[in-house]
Amino acid sequence: DAGVTQSPTHLIKTRGQQVTLRCSPKSGHDTVSWYQQALGQGPQFIFQYYEEEERQRGNFPDRFSGHQFPNYSSELNVNALLLGDSALYLCASSTAYEQYFGPGTRLTVT
Amino acid sequence: DQQVKQNSPSLSVQEGRISILNCDYTNSMFDYFLWYKKYPAEGPTFLISISSIKDKNEDGRFTVFLNKSAKHLSLHIVPSQPGDSAVYFCGGGTSYGKLTFGQGTILTVHP
Repeated sequence: DAGVTQSPTHLIKTRGQQVTLRCSPKSGHDTVSWYQQALGQGPQFIFQYYEEEERQRGNFPDRFSGHQFPNYSSELNVNALLLGDSALYLCASSTAYEQYFGPGTRLTVT
Repeated sequence: DQQVKQNSPSLSVQEGRISILNCDYTNSMFDYFLWYKKYPAEGPTFLISISSIKDKNEDGRFTVFLNKSAKHLSLHIVPSQPGDSAVYFCGGGTSYGKLTFGQGTILTVHP
């Protein structure tokens, strides 16, 4: 079992650009959540997908959007990147309350 | 609005001694609480959880205590080992699994 995988590992973008991050959930998991972890902070909930629908959303602007595919994998899209979007983006999958996290994608916006 | 707070940014403990990590919360709607630990360059790893209707849960060297009246939970690690050195996050969870995390506490266990 590969666990939760995320790609890419690292990414450098310029202000104003758009980025897409990808996540493959742990085998058997149907729910995917995305978190943003800024330096020195705990992960902050962005949104959660279940059955290809956004089920819950945290306090993030509409520039942050996502998608879940029939195979339960998911994408996080961020438009009009700001310097403040630089962070570690974590994906977590679950079937119940325990969430399994991937290693994250480190996004740097210059 | 910080619903979960870990007021100690770091903790240093001698190997073999007890490590106590603390967490305070304000949201009474949490159904459960969890502790995760995180090593550099890895995602957070689930450690232990506790339902909001319990006051204690134990798993090997790890015990979590919940004091609902004080809105406080703590993680005890006994005995502490150098491999326990990591960042520890406490989190509160509601239905459908949205987790709200504290800022984390860096635990260093010295040999």
